[in-house]
Amino acid sequence: AQSVTQLDSQVPVFEEAPVELRCNYSSSVSVYLFWYVQYPNQGLQLLLKYLSGSTLVKGINGFEAEFNKSQTSFHLRKPSVHISDTAEYFCAGGPSGNTPLVFGKGTRLSVIA
Amino acid sequence: KAGVTQTPRYLIKTRGQQVTLSCSPISGHRSVSWYQQTPGQGLQFLFEYFSETQRNKGNFPGRFSGRQFSNSRSEMNVSTLELGDSALYLCASSKEGTGGETQYFGPGTRLLVL
Repeated sequence: AQSVTQLDSQVPVFEEAPVELRCNYSSSVSVYLFWYVQYPNQGLQLLLKYLSGSTLVKGINGFEAEFNKSQTSFHLRKPSVHISDTAEYFCAGGPSGNTPLVFGKGTRLSVIA
Repeated sequence: KAGVTQTPRYLIKTRGQQVTLSCSPISGHRSVSWYQQTPGQGLQFLFEYFSETQRNKGNFPGRFSGRQFSNSRSEMNVSTLELGDSALYLCASSKEGTGGETQYFGPGTRLLVL
């Protein structure tokens, strides 16, 4: 079965420190990969996505992710976080065609002042 | 361009009742997907509609149903509500619903079943 695993359910980090949110995927769901962010009482917003080409993907709000096929990973990183980055982050993957996305369980990022 | 809108934003129902949720996709988007989000199970795919046809279906009981209208607006219905149906229901739209397309999410409808 297809799966996307987010290795940390909660990540606390101090403001202005770097952060990495980890995501691993099953090889059958490796074609397209996404990171979404959800702020309280809101829907999901796309941060970035990997379709093909360069393995380093840059997204909004200073986030980037690296696609690593050998390690089946798609970790999200930000060099310096802000209080406003406090939110839940979801990694998702999908094969080609019309098959729906598979989401990880989410990582709650808490930025501490 | 207006985003995805969902109505109502909040609902309180009792067990055994039924509920209908509505989703208006971004103009020009023909694919609408529905997800259930709970703290325990995370985001689970319910179904996807494209051009008024259900194209994909997740692993949910038949009490969960949906439809799409010719203007791409979609509704989902849950009959005979159970306590476990309490969740945030998210709708997402995309142009064609093909792989790699960005899905744009609405703010969700929060359903509480008492």
